[in-house]
Amino acid sequence: EVQLVESGGGLVQPGRSLRLSCAASGFTFDDYAMHWVRQAPGKGLEWVSGISRNGVTVVYADSVKGRFTISRDNAKNSLYLQMNSLRAEDTALYYCAKRARSTWYLDYWGQGTLVTVSS
Amino acid sequence: QSALTQPPSASGSPGQPVTISCTGTSSDVGGYNYVSWYQQHPGKAPKLMIYEVSERPSGVPDRFSGSKSGITASLTVSGLRPEDEADYYCSSYAGSNKLVFGGGTKLTVL
Repeated sequence: EVQLVESGGGLVQPGRSLRLSCAASGFTFDDYAMHWVRQAPGKGLEWVSGISRNGVTVVYADSVKGRFTISRDNAKNSLYLQMNSLRAEDTALYYCAKRARSTWYLDYWGQGTLVTVSS
Repeated sequence: QSALTQPPSASGSPGQPVTISCTGTSSDVGGYNYVSWYQQHPGKAPKLMIYEVSERPSGVPDRFSGSKSGITASLTVSGLRPEDEADYYCSSYAGSNKLVFGGGTKLTVL
């Protein structure tokens, strides 16, 4: 059974940093690209970032480019999102999601970890 | 990277059909057959309902179907059931290894 478990969320002051983690199990982690998607309270889904199977290719939404860094450790079956210079508008539930192979949809999602940016 | 456009709300009576639209551009919806649809119940993670415009994952009822014409994709739920009441989001590949989502549609079963 595919499982994605996010952690690392919490309350953080504007301008500070936070690192999210996603522990994956139930599939061969290094065979799949992974993505982060966020959802602000009461709002819709927003794609944040994606990373290729080997971690070489990384992409970001314009709203986080230059502030967030996605990475993965295939030996640990883990995905990460380093978030720097956090803003109030980054407040959201952050989902880790697995992309299906050789195509462009997200077939499994975690339950999310909540990030609140507030002073 | 503008969000795809969905109507904020849709509704229908049990047993009736309802269609939700998703409008993008030639750089996303119109340029690729990589439109997907997700269902989200309150407090839950999104669930894949349709991928590659019209394909249905195993376990998704066949009353859910998808289509695309030009820059607009559509999700149709035929034979509405109470459990179909949820938020629905479309998504498309947007080139350069990026994805884009729609703003979401709240589906109400009357």
